[in-house]
Amino acid sequence: DADVTQTPRNRITKTGKRIMLECSQTKGHDRMYWYRQDPGLGLQLIYYSFDVKDINKGEISDGYSVSRQAQAKFSLSLESAIPNQTALYFCATSDPSGEQFFGPGTRLTVL
Amino acid sequence: SQKIEQNSEALNIQEGKTATLTCNYTNYSPAYLQWYRQDPGRGPVFLLLIRENEKEKRKERLKVTFDTTLKQSLFHITASQPADSATYLCALDNTGGFKTIFGAGTRLFVKA
Repeated sequence: DADVTQTPRNRITKTGKRIMLECSQTKGHDRMYWYRQDPGLGLQLIYYSFDVKDINKGEISDGYSVSRQAQAKFSLSLESAIPNQTALYFCATSDPSGEQFFGPGTRLTVL
Repeated sequence: SQKIEQNSEALNIQEGKTATLTCNYTNYSPAYLQWYRQDPGRGPVFLLLIRENEKEKRKERLKVTFDTTLKQSLFHITASQPADSATYLCALDNTGGFKTIFGAGTRLFVKA
């Protein structure tokens, strides 16, 4: 079984809808991250969390919110989706060494 | 502002040759640098990590160098194979693992 899983894998939605992307990990890591990836751009950090009680904004947090329900679960929400949030979204975990383990990604399309 | 640059043009090489990818950075003092491989539609996969006090690191056919004076890392794949075709991402971290910044990646094509 994969160490980091994301659901859904693909989602098409309409402008103004609320969307939640979910991430679960079995690595036992405290640190979890949400990134978005657009063609030709590097991964951009949206939010990161170092434990259940610690959540921090990344480079591009506007329009997004997160919830760390447990050590193993970290969800990303788009409160009111807009077309420029169409992208590939990745969840990741890491241990203190810095190596990151990524999920398979969620392809989100906002019409 | 902090910037990471990887060659946006794809690198095409012949099987068996050495592929060399470059990562340059500015306005940054990374504690360590990482390289990841990403296949289309998949999440990045960790390959190597090199710390600021290390000049070179090797893993099987992979070699990474890190020059903090030039602010550059080189990533080499020796005896390249078609299965090495992928996008390779450079990533820097100056916060001890708290926040990593990724480059846009370089696409590598290895022809048989």
